[in-house]
Amino acid sequence: EDQVTQSPEALRLQEGESSSLNCSYTVSGLRGLFWYRQDPGKGPEFLFTLYSAGEEKEKERLKATLTKKESFLHITAPKPEDSATYLCAVQAGNAGNMLTFGGGTRLMVKP
Amino acid sequence: NAGVTQTPKFQVLKTGQSMTLQCAQDMNHEYMSWYRQDPGMGLRLIHYSVGAGITDQGEVPNGYNVSRSTTEDFPLRLLSAAPSQTSVYFCASSYSSGGTYPQYFGPGTRLTVL
Repeated sequence: EDQVTQSPEALRLQEGESSSLNCSYTVSGLRGLFWYRQDPGKGPEFLFTLYSAGEEKEKERLKATLTKKESFLHITAPKPEDSATYLCAVQAGNAGNMLTFGGGTRLMVKP
Repeated sequence: NAGVTQTPKFQVLKTGQSMTLQCAQDMNHEYMSWYRQDPGMGLRLIHYSVGAGITDQGEVPNGYNVSRSTTEDFPLRLLSAAPSQTSVYFCASSYSSGGTYPQYFGPGTRLTVL
């Protein structure tokens, strides 16, 4: 069974204080790992797709990396507007388009 | 492009009532899906469709029906609502059912069953 675990569940940062969110996964043949951002009362917003170990993707203050067992979402010098819940999901080789989601990390950035 | 749209945004039902949650996308996406999101449970797949006329069950399909008569629309029907179906429901779509493409989500429907 595919499993995705995100840590920490919640993270409080001061503005400018860089940190990383973790997504550990167990999957039969990873086809892709996805990062989403979700604001309160909204649907998840797509951020990145990572396909293979060693791959990195960047967008503004966010950088996602992938190993064979986990992915990290690095946030550099965060701003209050980066406050959101960040979700990680995996697509397995034998599961078509089906995604397995982690529970998310709720990030709060204080000014 | 409006992307993925969902109606209604909020709904309150009584136990035993039925209703349909609407979902539409204007991106000509082949794949569409329905998720529910509950505190502490993450997003769980209810049903999905790989194209018009083709649907299949996800992880938590009991109590829900779907159909896909057009590429654009993918309604979710609650047959006889139960308090356990109180949740936030998200519809999502993806370019193709083959390959690895991101799913794009709608704004959600918050459903309360009394």
